[in-house]
Amino acid sequence: AQTVTQSQPEMSVQEAETVTLSCTYDTSESDYYLFWYKQPPSRQMILVIRQEAYKQQNATENRFSVNFQKAAKSFSLKISDSQLGDAAMYFCAYRSQNTGNQFYFGTGTSLTVIP
Amino acid sequence: DAGVIQSPRHEVTEMGQEVTLRCKPISGHNSLFWYRQTMMRGLELLIYFNNNVPIDDSGMPEDRFSAKMPNASFSTLKIQPSEPRDSAVYFCASRAGRRSGNTIYFGEGSWLTVV
Repeated sequence: AQTVTQSQPEMSVQEAETVTLSCTYDTSESDYYLFWYKQPPSRQMILVIRQEAYKQQNATENRFSVNFQKAAKSFSLKISDSQLGDAAMYFCAYRSQNTGNQFYFGTGTSLTVIP
Repeated sequence: DAGVIQSPRHEVTEMGQEVTLRCKPISGHNSLFWYRQTMMRGLELLIYFNNNVPIDDSGMPEDRFSAKMPNASFSTLKIQPSEPRDSAVYFCASRAGRRSGNTIYFGEGSWLTVV
């Protein structure tokens, strides 16, 4: 089974600064999707950004961008101009294109934004 | 558009009682997932359905758990009898086809406390 690893249980960033959350995954597949989800204290899981493995260009959504390194199986999330509302748990997720519908989630990184 | 709708949002029940969690997926989505989230185990996939058919229930903890999807717009997760260790947030999520980028969208979760 695929595994997703988030090696940073907790991170903190000063408001308006930039922070990068790490994610690595293990797979033998060539086609797949990667996602970052945000879970604020309300516990709602909110999609932040997604990346198709066949695309070389890194996905970007406003202040959120990824650094997708397919060969290294790395998928980090960069948050620029951090805001207080960015404080949340962030989960990296992997979905195979070929082997069923399962999504594999990492254990999450808790991000604190310091005013 | 309405998102994934779960009910109840919160439930407190006594050990031994039956608990039924409900989910209405996003209209047009053909896959539905039930996840459980705890501090100790993170996000666990319990079961998922494709076109109303259960595909993989290997994550269902034991026979006390059962899930049904009688039609495309409704699913239930039942725990009978409930135990304190079942206390968790239960998420329902749904997914459309490839045109949506294979993203899954989560409901707001059902917070279950078994005392």
